[in-house]
Amino acid sequence: SQQGEEDPQALSIQEGENATMNCSYKTSINNLQWYRQNSGRGLVHLILIRSNEREKHSGRLRVTLDTSKKSSSLLITASRAADTASYFCATPPPGDSWGKLQFGAGTQVVVTP
Amino acid sequence: KAGVTQTPRYLIKTRGQQVTLSCSPISGHRSVSWYQQTPGQGLQFLFEYFSETQRNKGNFPGRFSGRQFSNSRSEMNVSTLELGDSALYLCASSPDWMLETQYFGPGTRLLVL
Repeated sequence: SQQGEEDPQALSIQEGENATMNCSYKTSINNLQWYRQNSGRGLVHLILIRSNEREKHSGRLRVTLDTSKKSSSLLITASRAADTASYFCATPPPGDSWGKLQFGAGTQVVVTP
Repeated sequence: KAGVTQTPRYLIKTRGQQVTLSCSPISGHRSVSWYQQTPGQGLQFLFEYFSETQRNKGNFPGRFSGRQFSNSRSEMNVSTLELGDSALYLCASSPDWMLETQYFGPGTRLLVL
């Protein structure tokens, strides 16, 4: 079963624009992570935000976390064609969850030049 | 450091056969997790190994099994293949001190005919 649900499912923007995608999850979390996947290849870790953090930045990425609403958002500023990918949020389930991440269905982002 | 490597990258099998996939984690990483990715079910956790011990297992039938060697390399085996086993199989490794973030390999794409 999937823990997170991303919204929107797909997003098409032009280079230079900002892209925002949201993730909602169901159970309490210790942290939430965002990953990127290019065209059916491996996932790349982008950023991890802990449950006691509200906002985190990494380069052109900004992640927010609202634990009261059980939601997170990922903002990519000044997007580039190379940002074309699927973006997934992931959380470790509560309890004994060694090495296990629960992923959402992903947001497919297309950035056109 | 070299990233996570997976072999083979592509594989075609027929129903009823068995298959073994291999994963070499990043040097120094002792935790290895496996995921199955399909268009219908998304990313689903298979199992996790740490120091040759399976610590966590997802909700998959017993046809799916794995193991980890003393050098942290891991293999997963699927016996009696079914058409529904066609998927991208992803391996991820984590360092001991930061089990939260996972570093993914490029995946093995398995097609069952």
